[in-house]
Amino acid sequence: GAGVSQSPRYKVTKRGQDVALRCDPISGHVSLYWYRQALGQGPEFLTYFNYEAQQDKSGLPNDRFSAERPEGSISTLTIQRTEQRDSAMYRCASSLTGTYDEQFFGPGTRLTVL
Amino acid sequence: GQNIDQPTEMTATEGAIVQINCTYQTSGFNGLFWYQQHAGEAPTFLSYNVLDGLEEKGRFSSFLSRSKGYSYLLLKELQMKDSASYLCAVGLFSGGYNKLIFGAGTRLAVHP
Repeated sequence: GAGVSQSPRYKVTKRGQDVALRCDPISGHVSLYWYRQALGQGPEFLTYFNYEAQQDKSGLPNDRFSAERPEGSISTLTIQRTEQRDSAMYRCASSLTGTYDEQFFGPGTRLTVL
Repeated sequence: GQNIDQPTEMTATEGAIVQINCTYQTSGFNGLFWYQQHAGEAPTFLSYNVLDGLEEKGRFSSFLSRSKGYSYLLLKELQMKDSASYLCAVGLFSGGYNKLIFGAGTRLAVHP
C-alpha cells in the first residue's frame, strides 16, 4: 500500500476483554515499531521488530501486552485483560531499515476501555 | 534515564519566523529527529541531524549541537497550515536499530 495502515481505527471494549490491534507496514520495510501516544504527549516506544524477529520489547508495560509479526510483514499487538489505564492511541511505524532512516507512522488505533 | 525538553506551546504570526528549541540528556545519541503532527493525524518526518550544524530544507531548518545537547527547528515564512505539534526525538542505537525517544512536543499556533 501507499502508507502504513492500522485497524481498527477505533476500538471500544470493556475492562477485562482482550483486544488485537493490527498494523500493515509499507511493503518492503524491514523494521516495524509499536508506540503508545497519550493526548498531548509524544509517542512512547513499546516494541520493535526486524523482519519477524522481536528484537526489543523493553517498552511493553507488563505481560498483558504482547506483539507478533510472524511473516515479517503484518503485525498484531495484543492486550489481554484490558484495564482502563490501557486507553490510549496505539500507533505503529515502519522504516526501510532500522538505522538512520525515517519512520513512517500509521493513523493509529484509538483504544477506549470502559 | 532519558530526558527531552521542549516548550509546551508557542504562538507566532503568519509570515514570521519561529524557532522551537529542544534540549536532551540521554544515555547515548544516534541522531536528532524532528516530526510534525497535525491534530488528529500521524507524525510525519521533517528532518534528521546526526552531525553538528544546520540542515536546511525549504522553509524548515534544523540545527544540532551535540556538545550542548541542544537542537532547534526553524520555520520561516510561516503559513496557517504550519499550526501543529512539533516533536523532537533522540535516536538511541541499540541492538542494531535506532530507537526513538520522543519529547512531549511543542504545539505551535500560527495566527493571521
